[in-house]
Amino acid sequence: DVKVTQSSRYLVKRTGEKVFLECVQDMDHENMFWYRQDPGLGLRLIYFSYDVKMKEKGDIPEGYSVSREKKERFSLILESASTNQTSMYLCASSLRRRVIAREGSQPQHFGDGTRLSIL
Amino acid sequence: KNEVEQSPQNLTAQEGEFITINCSYSVGISALHWLQQHPGGGIVSLFMLSSGKKKHGRLIATINIQEKHSSLHITASHPRDSAVYICAVRWGPGYFGNEKLTFGTGTRLTIIP
Repeated sequence: DVKVTQSSRYLVKRTGEKVFLECVQDMDHENMFWYRQDPGLGLRLIYFSYDVKMKEKGDIPEGYSVSREKKERFSLILESASTNQTSMYLCASSLRRRVIAREGSQPQHFGDGTRLSIL
Repeated sequence: KNEVEQSPQNLTAQEGEFITINCSYSVGISALHWLQQHPGGGIVSLFMLSSGKKKHGRLIATINIQEKHSSLHITASHPRDSAVYICAVRWGPGYFGNEKLTFGTGTRLTIIP
């Protein structure tokens, strides 16, 4: 079974701090994703990475950056934490499809989430 | 803007009832996922559909591409089915390797014994 591990289940930080959220997957997946989940808004994509050192902005990248130095690890960085970044953060990974096909998709495998509070 | 809408937002039912959760989307997709999230946060993938119907145990997922609509059905519901069910879509053909998804806001299902 695929295992996606997030470094913390709960985290409390102060406004202005630099915050690191770590995610590790053990299945050699090319794609990795960072989402935040807020009540009434569903999961929203912050950043994703389709290979080592490659990254693309998602729908809400402002205030965040990411790092992918090794294939198995994808880090989310809050450069200067603010109270509006209090949220549940979820990491996911998936295989890159080997064929170019109009249809289909790879399932994403999720970590258990990090509930981050910024005070 | 490409959107994914789920209904109902909340659903409470008695154990044993047949459950239907709906998902509609605004433009053409290449795939639709159904996901389950239990209290505590962990999300698991239930189904991925491009067309037709899939079944796994008591869960059935269908998709109608022309109507831009998918349903998730649970037969003989059980309290352990209580969770948030989330629909997510991959828009269009995308570019090779693009697996970005757009998510609905979820349906909270509660099954009462």
